[in-house]
Order: sequence, then structure tokens, then C-alpha cells
Amino acid sequence: GAVVSQHPSWVICKSGTSVKIECRSLDFQATTMFWYRQFPKQSLMLMATSNEGSKATYEQGVEKDKFLINHASLTLSTLTVTSAHPEDSSFYICSLTMDRFYEQYFGPGTRLTVT
Amino acid sequence: SQQGEEDPQALSIQEGENATMNCSYKTSINNLQWYRQNSGRGLVHLILIRSNEREKHSGRLRVTLDTSKKSSSLLITASRAADTASYFCATDGDKIIFGKGTRLHILP
Repeated sequence: GAVVSQHPSWVICKSGTSVKIECRSLDFQATTMFWYRQFPKQSLMLMATSNEGSKATYEQGVEKDKFLINHASLTLSTLTVTSAHPEDSSFYICSLTMDRFYEQYFGPGTRLTVT
Repeated sequence: SQQGEEDPQALSIQEGENATMNCSYKTSINNLQWYRQNSGRGLVHLILIRSNEREKHSGRLRVTLDTSKKSSSLLITASRAADTASYFCATDGDKIIFGKGTRLHILP
């Protein structure tokens, strides 16, 4: 399967600061990238879908001005949590696919803690 | 609303026994996928079954799909301690949606 990396693996930041999370495909070109958020003991919740070169599509209830997604290339997508608050503390996971009707390849996740 | 819903929510079995988990969904799909997630880690893709398939095998895993009932099952045979994890089904209709997962615990 494809290899997906996320950076950083975990981050602790102060309330009000911004945090950028990178998601990289190491061995294939991903046309579509997804960002998920997972709170403890809950399911993954899709936050947004992004296609290379176009604006991300956000799910209902996800603030696009707070969670900035940049799909810069076929191998890199970034999620920036702006003005983070403690309620943004969560596990953020990206996934990539060459075609949305096929397998998604997940990154290892980034644990964000906002103090 | 949730597209995929796994059943049971939690399951504890003895090592060596078979574990069966079910997934129900609501709308038409292109495919259904099962994933495993160890605590606090990313998801690992286990198996994908397309809407025109009824059964698929991969090692100790067996997945069935009944599109008339909008349900799928994941069977893990001869369970091992390393199988302890949460298992999610995900459906791809208009979008990929995950269920809440089944937490499987294998007792030694």
C-alpha cells in the first residue's frame, strides 16, 4: 500500500496560536486528500475534502476560516488550525486516494493538545 | 447522519475464537471498506468489497456484503491478541463516511 506521513506526530500549543499539520504522500500522486478529526472514543469525522489545485470542500459545521486547508501539490496537503482553542484538541488524520472510489491511505495521525 | 454503523459497539472474546462484527448503512454505495485502528493511531485499511461483490477473503479476514439488506459483516477467524483494536466500516456513496466502530478485545 501507499505510504503517507504526517508531521508533526503530536503538538502541544497555547490557546490562540496557530498550528500547521502536514500530510505527505511518499510514493504516489494523490488527486484527493481528506482530513478527519477524531475525539477520544469517537469515530472519525470527515472535516474536508481537497483536490489538488482547487479549494477544499468543507463538511457542515466545520469552519473553513478556522481550519485552513491547502492542497499544494499531488503529494502535499496542509491543515492549519488557526487561533486554536482547547476544544480543538483532537486527533487529526489525513488520508489520500488516487480515486475517491478506491482505497484511502491514511496517515499516522497528529495529536493536537491546546492548553 | 452516520452512514455506517457497526454492531456490536464492543466485543470481548477469548484468543483463538472467531470474532464477527456487523455494519449497516443507509444509502446506495460504490464500495464498503473495513479498517482497523489501534488506540490513538491512524487507520489501517483491511479490505474493500465492491457493491457487485458478495464475499471477499484476505488471510484470516472474511467480509460479506448484502446490498439488499444494506449490511456487511467482518469475520476474523482464530483471533490473536494483536487483533485487539477498533474496527470501522466506511461506505463510499457520495462521500466516505465512517461508523462509530466496534472495539474488539481479545482475552489471553
